[in-house]
Amino acid sequence: QKEVEQDPGPLSVPEGAIVSLNCTYSNSAFQYFMWYRQYSRKGPELLMYTYSSGNKEDGRFTAQVDKSSKYISLFIRDSQPSDSATYLCAMSGGGSNYKLTFGKGTLLTVNP
Amino acid sequence: GAVVSQHPSWVICKSGTSVKIECRSLDFQATTMFWYRQFPKQSLMLMATSNEGSKATYEQGVEKDKFLINHASLTLSTLTVTSAHPEDSSFYICSASFQENIQYFGAGTRLSVL
Repeated sequence: QKEVEQDPGPLSVPEGAIVSLNCTYSNSAFQYFMWYRQYSRKGPELLMYTYSSGNKEDGRFTAQVDKSSKYISLFIRDSQPSDSATYLCAMSGGGSNYKLTFGKGTLLTVNP
Repeated sequence: GAVVSQHPSWVICKSGTSVKIECRSLDFQATTMFWYRQFPKQSLMLMATSNEGSKATYEQGVEKDKFLINHASLTLSTLTVTSAHPEDSSFYICSASFQENIQYFGAGTRLSVL
């Protein structure tokens, strides 16, 4: 079992749709949970990060972490064509264990 | 805030030459910098981790003599690909951290070795 599982998609939605992106993980030591957006041939851009369990909202984006289920989600409301990108979940263990473990990324296309 | 600049964005070089890639944190002091490699349609693969003033820690399977990392200051790290060969062609991305476990990435460098 891989440490982090993420459905690679591709996921195609119409403009204005609500998008749900998810990752599951197996390492209970993970404490920090991040979502990055990566456009083609660019570096990842940090969208959201959460420490431990809970929800966090920033504009059209909501990140949820359920440590009991080892499941994290990113919701995008009112999706726009400019949201079309690959979304990577990443997590780390906290303290000196700072390396990120990435999911494989989900390719999202928002159609106008 | 938390801007990481990476230069160049694209470099083409001849086989056997060396290439240097710079990574700078523009508005913060980075306690740790990281170098990744990414193949098409794959996730990021960590190559090495570096802290200012100390030797880089390389991941298993990464040749430290081929990929030289220098972290001269809290805002600058460089990756030198020595004696580059076509198989080194890839997308290289740096990241920097000032908060434990949160990494901010540069825009990446596309290396093409002819």
